[in-house]
Amino acid sequence: DTGVSQNPRHKITKRGQNVTFRCDPISEHNRLYWYRQTLGQGPEFLTYFQNEAQLEKSRLLSDRFSAERPKGSFSTLEIQRTEQGDSAMYLCASSLILTGGSYEQYFGPGTRLTVT
Amino acid sequence: LAKTTQPISMDSYEGQEVNITCSHNNIATNDYITWYQQFPSQGPRFIIQGYKTKVTNEVASLFIPADRKSSTLSLPRVSLSDTAVYYCLVGYSTLTFGKGTMLLVSP
Repeated sequence: DTGVSQNPRHKITKRGQNVTFRCDPISEHNRLYWYRQTLGQGPEFLTYFQNEAQLEKSRLLSDRFSAERPKGSFSTLEIQRTEQGDSAMYLCASSLILTGGSYEQYFGPGTRLTVT
Repeated sequence: LAKTTQPISMDSYEGQEVNITCSHNNIATNDYITWYQQFPSQGPRFIIQGYKTKVTNEVASLFIPADRKSSTLSLPRVSLSDTAVYYCLVGYSTLTFGKGTMLLVSP
């Protein structure tokens, strides 16, 4: 257990429905990241926050994807109008960025999404 | 974003030392080199990170030559539980994962 939690762990939804995933990072970490991972591939970076500011969102897969981190603590990733191609593992990670220092990201267990 | 190249798969036996080499020819000055391990249906787990020369922790060593265009993860005396995918990444604030190296440790 890295200290990063994700809920739900599994989600089955029908095509066209909206889904929302939650990530609770390690409490003192100021950065939070979202990734998507499909079978046989490495995690694919989607977006990240520093505190409540979303610093990079150009890698979100489409305008159906959005993420928030309203108070700089937990974050949510929403997928609207889900498609079968959205079926994947969605991973959240957090890190503490120190000025001039190195960093490491701690990953949660992921949310597995299945779109039927 | 710097790209990495690493072997798709490696085989080893219990008790052996395993070295996985990663090339990253266009690494940037402020990029760190980080290795992660991932088991099926789990998130990646940080193994080790370095900037130059050698870094060692309780589970692995990381060797980085002076030109930083490659790095080698060394796992001493692997066990069956080390069977996993190992990712080499370079970057500073965001990470780009490749397909990783599938390490299979046999008895």
